[in-house]
Amino acid sequence: GAVVSQHPSWVICKSGTSVKIECRSLDFQATTMFWYRQFPKQSLMLMATSNEGSKATYEQGVEKDKFLINHASLTLSTLTVTSAHPEDSSFYICSARNLETYEQYFGPGTRLTVT
Amino acid sequence: QKEVEQDPGPLSVPEGAIVSLNCTYSNSAFQYFMWYRQYSRKGPELLMYTYSSGNKEDGRFTAQVDKSSKYISLFIRDSQPSDSATYLCAMSDYGGATNKLIFGTGTLLAVQP
Repeated sequence: GAVVSQHPSWVICKSGTSVKIECRSLDFQATTMFWYRQFPKQSLMLMATSNEGSKATYEQGVEKDKFLINHASLTLSTLTVTSAHPEDSSFYICSARNLETYEQYFGPGTRLTVT
Repeated sequence: QKEVEQDPGPLSVPEGAIVSLNCTYSNSAFQYFMWYRQYSRKGPELLMYTYSSGNKEDGRFTAQVDKSSKYISLFIRDSQPSDSATYLCAMSDYGGATNKLIFGTGTLLAVQP
């Protein structure tokens, strides 16, 4: 199956700092990528949809100035959590949709802990 | 009413059993149907992908879609302890009004050795 990578897999940062998470589709092109957040024992919560070369579309209640998304190429999207606070601690998962088949693949996730 | 309903379980079966996981949905525009498996602290893994109605088989897994009843199923034959995970159904009308995956809440499956 197709592979989506995320980096880093785990990050600890201090409150007030910014953290960047990278998402790459390794063996297919993805014009559309998605960023999700997941709390323990809960389902995935879509944060934003990222389209290559255009601005991301954020879900209701997600602060676009806090969660900056860039989708600069057909294989790379980044999520930057700005001025992180402890309540931003969570499991962040990206997903990439194959532009030919519409199959949507997920990365392994990034666990963010803000102290 | 949620767009996608899925029994959260937990579901516990003995090794070798046939497992049936189901989801119902309300949006008749959905045409893309997927099943994901998610292990604890990992990203979801795409198991099965079906476009429109019909059956699809891949090894021990069979996915069924009945659009007339708005009902999808995933069957796991000869279940193994390694199948223990949360199973998520997901669907979309890609290119339509929703244009994103809508997930069920997930069913937690435990296969007992």
